[in-house]
Amino acid sequence: DAVMTQSPLSLPVTLGQPASISCRSSQSLEDSYGNTYLNWLQQRPGQSPRRLIYKVSNRDSGVPDRFSGSGSGTDFTLKISRVEAEDVGVYYCMQGTRWPYTFGQGTKLEIK
Amino acid sequence: EVQLVESGGGLVQPGRSLRLSCEAPGFTVDDYAVHWVRQGSGKGLEWVSGIFWKSGGTGYADSVKGRFIISRDNAKKSLYLQMNSLRAEDTALYYCVYEGVPGGADYWGQGILVTVSS
Repeated sequence: DAVMTQSPLSLPVTLGQPASISCRSSQSLEDSYGNTYLNWLQQRPGQSPRRLIYKVSNRDSGVPDRFSGSGSGTDFTLKISRVEAEDVGVYYCMQGTRWPYTFGQGTKLEIK
Repeated sequence: EVQLVESGGGLVQPGRSLRLSCEAPGFTVDDYAVHWVRQGSGKGLEWVSGIFWKSGGTGYADSVKGRFIISRDNAKKSLYLQMNSLRAEDTALYYCVYEGVPGGADYWGQGILVTVSS
């Protein structure tokens, strides 16, 4: 199974400042067709998870452009260019390249 | 927008069974898969099981293999999870997750609580 490791696990950020979350997989997430199914999810307090990014860098509809994803192979990053109050919550990376799908431990973003 | 509606959760004694359902009337069945993901109280996300709409191929987490059975009804655009021999450690919020692209967790239900306790 692909083990997903996120860092940091806690991320205090000042409003308007950038934030970055790292996600590392124990094995390459590129499949035999050259596709990499790495997603980023946001879970606000008391809500279901919501996908922000799919296939490493594709933003979902309605996701602000301050969110961006990058990476390849085993190393991936989610960046928020300027953190806003509504960004508070837990962020998970999730690999969908092979079953079982696996998740990172989650990174809790809070406002300083 | 696709809405997923889960039902069937509740309080159950260890060793008993429960069946979860998830309906998505606005969804278009395709080649992709649908899944159950669970989250213990204050904990992270754990993939439980998945099934492909067309082939019916299934997968299970080791923690539930042999006890849980996933199924789907394409005509009803519905997903099910038959949970047998329930244990205290199965207590969690269970989400159904539909893929809109391969390997993507596009749509999430609101979550249904399963509590296993005597």
